[in-house]
Formats: sequence, C-alpha cells, structure tokens
Amino acid sequence: KQEVTQIPAALSVPEGENLVLNCSFTDSAIYNLQWFRQDPGKGLTSLLLIQSSQREQTSGRLNASLDKSSGRSTLYIAASQPGDSATYLCAVLHPNFGNEKLTFGTGTRLTIIP
Amino acid sequence: DGGITQSPKYLFRKEGQNVTLSCEQNLNHDAMYWYRQDPGQGLRLIYYSQIVNDFQKGDIAEGYSVSREKKESFPLTVTSAQKNPTAFYLCASSWRGQPQHFGDGTRLSIL
Repeated sequence: KQEVTQIPAALSVPEGENLVLNCSFTDSAIYNLQWFRQDPGKGLTSLLLIQSSQREQTSGRLNASLDKSSGRSTLYIAASQPGDSATYLCAVLHPNFGNEKLTFGTGTRLTIIP
Repeated sequence: DGGITQSPKYLFRKEGQNVTLSCEQNLNHDAMYWYRQDPGQGLRLIYYSQIVNDFQKGDIAEGYSVSREKKESFPLTVTSAQKNPTAFYLCASSWRGQPQHFGDGTRLSIL
C-alpha cells in the first residue's frame, strides 16, 4: 500500500528566505506526483505536476523535483512572501488498471513571517 | 467560469440522521471524487466515479453512499452508520490522468 509522508508538519521562516518542503513515498510505481496548496477552510489548488518520466517542473518561484527511484520529491520556494503561507500537500497518482487514485501526504503548514 | 461547486459550505447532522453533500461540476470531466480531510491529516478517498452510472469504493467508504446519475453531479450521503462524520469533505473532478480540480469543501459537524 502506497504511503506518502511529508516532513516537517509545520515550518515558519522569515520573509524573503528560500525554503524546501519534502515529500517521500513508499512505492515508486507512480504515474505522476503533484504539489497542492490549501488555504484555511478551502479546497486544494494544483501548483505543479511532475510526470514519472520527468525530473523537475518549474512555475514562477516554485520548483518541484522528483527522484522516483528513491521515492522523494521536493518543493523549492524562492524568495518567500507572506502570501505563500498555506498548507502544502503532495500526492502521488499510482496505476490501478484504469482506476488510478491519488494518495496524499499529511501536508506541511507553512508560515512566512513578515 | 468553469469549476466545481460544493454545497452547503457548513452542515450539521443530528444523531441518526442521513445528510447529503452536493457536488456539481461544469468542466465536462468524466471522473469525480470525494475525499475526507481530518485535522492534521491528508485527504482520504471515500468514493470515486470514472463514468456516469458507475462508481467505486475508496479507502474509507463505510458509512457513506454516492450516486452518479448525471455527468455533472456526484452527491455524497453521510449515513447514520458513519459514527464519526465530523470532518471537511472535498469533491474533485478530472480528465483521466490529468490534475484534479477541487471544490471549496463542506464542513460537517455533529449537533
């Protein structure tokens, strides 16, 4: 059974710093890995999706990497801003004979201190 | 604008009562999903549907039921058999293999 872990559970950093969020998964047989952002009381917003054949994806100040063989992904946020404060979740999509399912990590709650 | 609409935003259930959460999408997606989120935990899959009139149990389907009579709609009923229903419920939809789009959720509490 696929398990996804995110460490740390919470992180506080001063504004302007670069930071890295970690995600690990136990089964490397995945289709893709996604990073989501969740604001309090809201749904999820997809940030980046990395296909299993890719090593990284970039969008603005965000860069996500994937090392499938070691079961790890990182989300790098450059020049952090108070608006980046949110919970960040990673999820892996794994094959299941046409019924592919996402397995989510527990998230990292990020606070950017002005 | 295309998107997913969940209603109501807040819902309260009395002991022994069934309640139904609504999820509607106008993205023309085939697949729809229901997740449950508890504090400090990730999302857990309750039910999903890849096509109209078909749905599959997820990891925590006990105490829940769904229907998929229309492509746009995937309502979730929390039955009285679900003994711990207090949670944040999220609905999502997607094209197969593509990123899932999420609604803003329904928070269910017990009176």
